[in-house]
Amino acid sequence: DSGVTQTPKHLITATGQRVTLRCSPRSGDLSVYWYQQSLDQGLQFLIQYYNGEERAKGNILERFSAQQFPDLHSELNLSSLELGDSALYFCASSAPFTSGSSYEQYFGPGTRLTVT
Amino acid sequence: EDKVVQSPLSLVVHEGDTVTLNCSYEVTNFRSLLWYKQEKKAPTFLFMLTSSGIEKKSGRLSSILDKKELSSILNITATQTGDSAIYLCAVGNAGNMLTFGGGTRLMVKP
Repeated sequence: DSGVTQTPKHLITATGQRVTLRCSPRSGDLSVYWYQQSLDQGLQFLIQYYNGEERAKGNILERFSAQQFPDLHSELNLSSLELGDSALYFCASSAPFTSGSSYEQYFGPGTRLTVT
Repeated sequence: EDKVVQSPLSLVVHEGDTVTLNCSYEVTNFRSLLWYKQEKKAPTFLFMLTSSGIEKKSGRLSSILDKKELSSILNITATQTGDSAIYLCAVGNAGNMLTFGGGTRLMVKP
């Protein structure tokens, strides 16, 4: 158990709908990262937050957005869902930049999204 | 664009064998190389290698970073069926963004 929690574990929804995935980082971690893992694309970085501020964006679609709240939990919002958005969505967290281990990212159990 | 390539794509061995998994990378502003083990779901952190720590060992697993060749290997000795998994290599840049390779699927037969 990495200490990163994600809810829900599974989500089944229809095309065109909107969903919200939630992540709580490990205690003490300030960074949260979101990744998408699909069979054809592998594990891809979407977006990073550090202490409430967006730090970096990867291959995140405009239909997707995220935020990190003052209590450091994060939410990933996926809208106008398409069949191709079906994937595993992982959240990861890492220690503050002032620590010696800020490059180590620990992954949550993931949310499996199925769009029908 | 940052790129990570792992080889082989898959590997089948018998218990007790030693395996070597490879990872090569091209990344701007390299900071770290990480190895993860992915079984049913979430990637589990194994090692992180940096310029100041190019070799790591934990039990039967060990890893080396070759900064000159822009590559890393993960060795597993005396393999067990519980080592069966997908092994992922990821490279981190200055912004701590990870780029993952496609993984090596290892199957260890009894």
